[in-house]
Amino acid sequence: DVKVTQSSRYLVKRTGEKVFLECVQDMDHENMFWYRQDPGLGLRLIYFSYDVKMKEKGDIPEGYSVSREKKERFSLILESASTNQTSMYLCASSPGQGGKNIQYFGAGTRLSVL
Amino acid sequence: KQEVTQIPAALSVPEGENLVLNCSFTDSAIYNLQWFRQDPGKGLTSLLLIQSSQREQTSGRLNASLDKSSGRSTLYIAASQPGDSATYLCAVRPSGGATNKLIFGTGTLLAVQP
Repeated sequence: DVKVTQSSRYLVKRTGEKVFLECVQDMDHENMFWYRQDPGLGLRLIYFSYDVKMKEKGDIPEGYSVSREKKERFSLILESASTNQTSMYLCASSPGQGGKNIQYFGAGTRLSVL
Repeated sequence: KQEVTQIPAALSVPEGENLVLNCSFTDSAIYNLQWFRQDPGKGLTSLLLIQSSQREQTSGRLNASLDKSSGRSTLYIAASQPGDSATYLCAVRPSGGATNKLIFGTGTLLAVQP
């Protein structure tokens, strides 16, 4: 079974803190994604990566950065957390261009910024 | 710009009823469409994926159909059970892109009453 693991289920941080959200997948997938999910807005793509050290902006990249130093790990970084970044963050991975390209999701990290 | 809409936003049915969830998208240029299930506070689980060349996919009590030209998909759940209670999301993968980016609807919250 594909496993996508997010390091924390819940996080509480203060405004201005630097925050790291970690995601690890164990299926050697090329593609990895970070989404945030908010009531009434659904899932919105923040950043994605299709290879090690490669990254692309999604729909809402402002205030975020990412790092992919190893194929299995994709980190989301909030350089200076703000209250409007309080949200549920979901990581996903999928195999390369061939096949069904199903995205597999982690359990999510609920981040509260106070 | 591709937009994905799911109606209704919430649905409550008695156990044993057959039901249909609806998903519509504005741009028919899609590579595939996926249906996901999300339990409260959890990540997403892929249920069915329909390629653009397919009309439907079945898995157990679930059947998903796709009418690409009219921009619609339905998820049919037969003989609903309380364990089916969850939020159901559809997502389309636009064609022509170099990645597996998905665009999500806001979901339908389903409650199956025992």
